[in-house]
Amino acid sequence: AQSVAQPEDQVNVAEGNPLTVKCTYSVSGNPYLFWYVQYPNRGLQFLLKYITGDNLVKGSYGFEAEFNKSQTSFHLKKPSALVSDSALYFCASREVNNAGNMLTFGGGTRLMVKP
Amino acid sequence: DTGVSQDPRHKITKRGQNVTFRCDPISEHNRLYWYRQTLGQGPEFLTYFQNEAQLEKSRLLSDRFSAERPKGSFSTLEIQRTEQGDSAMYLCASSPIEGTNEKLFFGSGTQLSVL
Repeated sequence: AQSVAQPEDQVNVAEGNPLTVKCTYSVSGNPYLFWYVQYPNRGLQFLLKYITGDNLVKGSYGFEAEFNKSQTSFHLKKPSALVSDSALYFCASREVNNAGNMLTFGGGTRLMVKP
Repeated sequence: DTGVSQDPRHKITKRGQNVTFRCDPISEHNRLYWYRQTLGQGPEFLTYFQNEAQLEKSRLLSDRFSAERPKGSFSTLEIQRTEQGDSAMYLCASSPIEGTNEKLFFGSGTQLSVL
């Protein structure tokens, strides 16, 4: 069974500083990995995905994530945080042979960016 | 693209009552998913449809839960004899089969409170 772990319930960072939100996964075979963001009173929004190829993937709003197979990690990063980045972030995985595209989500990390 | 819409936004009910939620996916999307999210947790997969066919159901979907997508467009999720443990946010998502099928488009959810 696949699982996704987000070890930090909350990450605090000052505006303008780099941010990292951590994610590790356990999936048989090669995984598809995703990051979604949830703003208050809004649905989850897709940020980026890793399917294959380059380990560094770029997504929406200046976010990027690095796939590290040896560490089974897929950390979300941004070089310079904005106050408006404050939200709930979810890492998710999907097994490659999952034809239905069902995702397994981590527990979420709340990002707080302070001015 | 009007997005995925869910109705109602909030539902308060007494234990033992039946409730029904509706989801209208993005019109050209063949796949429709239901997830459940409890406070402080990531979304958990419940079930998904491809067109009108229900192709996968999670073990979380007890006999009290039933989902339909009769014409391959909107979907309903019914919970019979609600229990306090059913209190959660119920999320609907949709995606096309081809193209960007790794990306799910989520609605804002229906928040269920069982008293």
